[in-house]
Amino acid sequence: DAGVIQSPRHEVTEMGQEVTLRCKPISGHDYLFWYRQTMMRGLELLIYFNNNVPIDDSGMPEDRFSAKMPNASFSTLKIQPSEPRDSAVYFCASSFGTEDNEQFFGPGTRLTVL
Amino acid sequence: GENVEQHPSTLSVQEGDSAVIKCTYSDSASNYFPWYKQELGKRPQLIIDIRSNVGEKKDQRIAVTLNKTAKHFSLHITETQPEDSAVYFCAAKWGSYIPTFGRGTSLIVHP
Repeated sequence: DAGVIQSPRHEVTEMGQEVTLRCKPISGHDYLFWYRQTMMRGLELLIYFNNNVPIDDSGMPEDRFSAKMPNASFSTLKIQPSEPRDSAVYFCASSFGTEDNEQFFGPGTRLTVL
Repeated sequence: GENVEQHPSTLSVQEGDSAVIKCTYSDSASNYFPWYKQELGKRPQLIIDIRSNVGEKKDQRIAVTLNKTAKHFSLHITETQPEDSAVYFCAAKWGSYIPTFGRGTSLIVHP
């Protein structure tokens, strides 16, 4: 397996634009997580899915952020409209169950909003 | 919910020295404590974990200890090498709940 795949790896956009980040989890994993990493706040859990269903989105900063998982092999995180403070590295991770199971992280998407 | 505190935020050591990173957690029900290593520009990856029925676990130069009474656990790296330089994250979880991560420790090993 190629591991968790994220695209794009880098995204530079202007304030106000829509940004869509994509993730393909490891095949067979039933949990998918979206994290945001910044120097100020460290690694923050934004939302996670179980069997394609959003379970907890309490970490989503505001209504400008939305996430979907239309099927077991694909998820998106959308920011509309984007703002400079959204600049961060966004990681997607997946795991098989949550009982003491390792989360496998993707390579991340470095987002810069100008 | 669970709260995980991690210290120090930055740790600088000389090659060959030992490094210790400490984490405390708030929920006494937490029973699984993984540690992730994130090299510069890379993704976090699990390096070692410990369950609450074990007090210590070793894997070559790294070890993790757990004190359930005090609700703290630590990562120990002996004979540090430049390739150990990275950000290390601790986490705590209970049962099927999602792990809560610490803020991370940036370890710098000087040659």
